[in-house]
Amino acid sequence: KAGVTQTPRYLIKTRGQQVTLSCSPISGHRSVSWYQQTPGQGLQFLFEYFSETQRNKGNFPGRFSGRQFSNSRSEMNVSTLELGDSALYLCASSAGGGFVYEQYFGPGTRLTVT
Amino acid sequence: SQQGEEDPQALSIQEGENATMNCSYKTSINNLQWYRQNSGRGLVHLILIRSNEREKHSGRLRVTLDTSKKSSSLLITASRAADTASYFCATDRAGNQFYFGTGTSLTVIP
Repeated sequence: KAGVTQTPRYLIKTRGQQVTLSCSPISGHRSVSWYQQTPGQGLQFLFEYFSETQRNKGNFPGRFSGRQFSNSRSEMNVSTLELGDSALYLCASSAGGGFVYEQYFGPGTRLTVT
Repeated sequence: SQQGEEDPQALSIQEGENATMNCSYKTSINNLQWYRQNSGRGLVHLILIRSNEREKHSGRLRVTLDTSKKSSSLLITASRAADTASYFCATDRAGNQFYFGTGTSLTVIP
């Protein structure tokens, strides 16, 4: 099976802009989770989608949003970018929701906000 | 705040030695998972142990879980240079959120 893919791999944006990141899960996986990784805060959970519904959400402001499509592909959107949003954004797919099963991670999107 | 904290933050050993890293967490969990991250392969799942399990093995990996102490340990036996990576524990909390620890940076010297 093909692994989790994320596009784009690298992105440079200007403060105030918005950005959309895409994630394609492993075939058959219905759960997609998103994480932000920074040197200062480590890996932080953003949200989880399962069958097109947001099931769980981390402690991030409303500027961070996401959605999942009927084919389980997911997008994450960050509006009004801030310098502190510079990070590696990782998505992971899982066979089931609620973190009951192992998660398979994509390579990540490296976002730089200038 | 993060659910898990790894100890030590950094560990350097010779190839062939064993490496042990510990993880402590704060609230009740359903399961605990260990992941490895290096620049070549990204974040990779290693092992999952459920709250009703005490020990689990996978190849050279041995994980223990002590729910009374809210702690887990990961033992890598007969380490190899390729084991050089950051290791993270991750826990769910009632299946609502998924918390990663701060990570242990392991360096295996050939």
